[in-house]
Amino acid sequence: GNSVTQMEGPVTLSEEAFLTINCTYTATGYPSLFWYVQYPGEGLQLLLKATKADDKGSNKGFEATYRKETTSFHLEKGSVQVSDSAVYFCALSHQGGSQGNLIFGKGTKLSVKP
Amino acid sequence: EPEVTQTPSHQVTQMGQEVILRCVPISNHLYFYWYRQILGQKVEFLVSFYNNEISEKSEIFDDQFSVERPDGSNFTLKIRSTKLEDSAMYFCASSPGTGGPFFGPGTRLTVL
Repeated sequence: GNSVTQMEGPVTLSEEAFLTINCTYTATGYPSLFWYVQYPGEGLQLLLKATKADDKGSNKGFEATYRKETTSFHLEKGSVQVSDSAVYFCALSHQGGSQGNLIFGKGTKLSVKP
Repeated sequence: EPEVTQTPSHQVTQMGQEVILRCVPISNHLYFYWYRQILGQKVEFLVSFYNNEISEKSEIFDDQFSVERPDGSNFTLKIRSTKLEDSAMYFCASSPGTGGPFFGPGTRLTVL
């Protein structure tokens, strides 16, 4: 069945460091891929998405590229800030439909120190 | 910016009691969802709802669960007889039909 695997956290970085959070997936067909972020005490916020191979999603300095050949959707940011401290979830949705039936990874907690 | 809202933010109940979690999706969205996140575990899909009926549900969504859109704005999740293992954060979400769903802030359900 479909699944998402994320790198284990927590990840601790200093401000302005480069961030990579790895995400790989297993899916039939051509799923859409998402990154969601959950700040402390809040719900899930859609950070970025990509719907087909080689698409790059980007938002707030974060980006991720849909790599079908490696079944990956790694999240990157060139220079993290303390305010980026949160839990990041990679997710995929089935091909077609409303794309709302998401399969999530376990989440990766990021802590950014000043 | 429109957002999904959920009430209450925290619900405490006794095992065996019925609970209703409420959500107001974004007004022009057509698809509605419930997810849950047990503490320390993955966010899990429960059910999707479209055109006044369930369009998809997971194995978790058994006969103890039901959803309803009683009017033009609310979307509810009912658990008929709560169990200890139902303790979790429950997220409502809505979608216009393409792209990822927008999530509410969640309701923390604690079953004692």
